[in-house]
Amino acid sequence: DAGVTQTPRHEVAEKGQTIILKCEPVSGHNDLFWYRQTKIQGLELLSYFRSKSLMEDGGAFKDRFKAEMLNSSFSTLKIQPTEPKDSAVYLCASRGTDYEQYFGPGTRLTVL
Amino acid sequence: AQSVTQPDARVTVSEGASLQLRCKYSYFGTPYLFWYVQYPRQGLQLLLKYYPGDPVVQGVNGFEAEFSKSNSSFHLRKASVHWSDWAVYFCAASFPGGNYKPTFGKGTSLVVHP
Repeated sequence: DAGVTQTPRHEVAEKGQTIILKCEPVSGHNDLFWYRQTKIQGLELLSYFRSKSLMEDGGAFKDRFKAEMLNSSFSTLKIQPTEPKDSAVYLCASRGTDYEQYFGPGTRLTVL
Repeated sequence: AQSVTQPDARVTVSEGASLQLRCKYSYFGTPYLFWYVQYPRQGLQLLLKYYPGDPVVQGVNGFEAEFSKSNSSFHLRKASVHWSDWAVYFCAASFPGGNYKPTFGKGTSLVVHP
């Protein structure tokens, strides 16, 4: 089985730009998560989808972060506009009925 | 509130020594519990998982963990650490009362000395 795919692996953006990160979950998984990872804050949940329905939108991240599940096998995370403090690794994970999460390799975002 | 705590930000051990990484959770019932490992520049990978049943669970690469309801803990252990175990370890829980939303601890960075 293919694991979780994330593209791009690296992204460099200028402050104020719009960027879109992409994720393909494990086939057959109903749950999809977006996380932000930094050394200081650790793993922060941005969005949680179940069967394409948004279960959690990450509270403090609602302003400039928008995750969507375009279909059961593709999700995007849009950051608009980007700020330097958004520099982090963005992880996508999917989960099946056993509640075990499968993580992608992450996208490393640098905002100048 | 439901939470997961890893009290040790960093643990240093010598290669060949035994290891215990601590994890405590806060929840009135019994959550599903997980340990994940993250190697540099990679995503997280599952080491082992606990569903209600036998309190000691075995994972990959010689890792095991023990669930204790009385202590609200799920500590990770390994009898003999290898240099390749140098990584960050995350404890996580999914709580049945909270849409099974996963909650992660802040991670413990394991450093292995030769």
